[in-house]
Amino acid sequence: SQQGEEDPQALSIQEGENATMNCSYKTSINNLQWYRQNSGRGLVHLILIRSNEREKHSGRLRVTLDTSKKSSSLLITASRAADTASYFCASRSMNRDDKIIFGKGTRLHILP
Amino acid sequence: EPEVTQTPSHQVTQMGQEVILRCVPISNHLYFYWYRQILGQKVEFLVSFYNNEISEKSEIFDDQFSVERPDGSNFTLKIRSTKLEDSAMYFCASTRLAQGGETQYFGPGTRLLVL
Repeated sequence: SQQGEEDPQALSIQEGENATMNCSYKTSINNLQWYRQNSGRGLVHLILIRSNEREKHSGRLRVTLDTSKKSSSLLITASRAADTASYFCASRSMNRDDKIIFGKGTRLHILP
Repeated sequence: EPEVTQTPSHQVTQMGQEVILRCVPISNHLYFYWYRQILGQKVEFLVSFYNNEISEKSEIFDDQFSVERPDGSNFTLKIRSTKLEDSAMYFCASTRLAQGGETQYFGPGTRLLVL
């Protein structure tokens, strides 16, 4: 698989439930970031987790990072209709400081 | 809160024409990037730019592409002779530093349609 692969590719849940999305990567990373993209719109930065961190919280978001498994998860608690969007993880390699590599994203749909 | 801006929001052009996409990065940022996203696909890195020169580019960024920082605020992406497959959303991003835990802030994108 390619760097920054998310699963599931699509997720539909009821409003109020928690949504969990996972991301895997291949190379050693400096940090990993999660972005949200509403349909046809720009990328909104959600949260960044460094390689020496295991968990980070921001509001209803919780991100975990397992460098031994080269994976990360994004948990959105108490989902809302406004959370409907695509979510991407993007990793910055330890060796290459410039670019970040995006995954294919998870399309999250919150059902009313 | 400062943000990255991009103009135009939409651009329609004929195949073979030149287009220039414009970006205004966040004012105290030093590193600038262009990415693109073909409809329904993932975001792909094109080029990074620091200290008035390209620091890294992907294989997508061929001779048809060029970047420039013509003044202290704008950062542009030029496509010299557009092809149908250049149709995509183009995102500009900037970051204060390249190393360490620095967030890349993205602009809202320019949707380019090549006919």
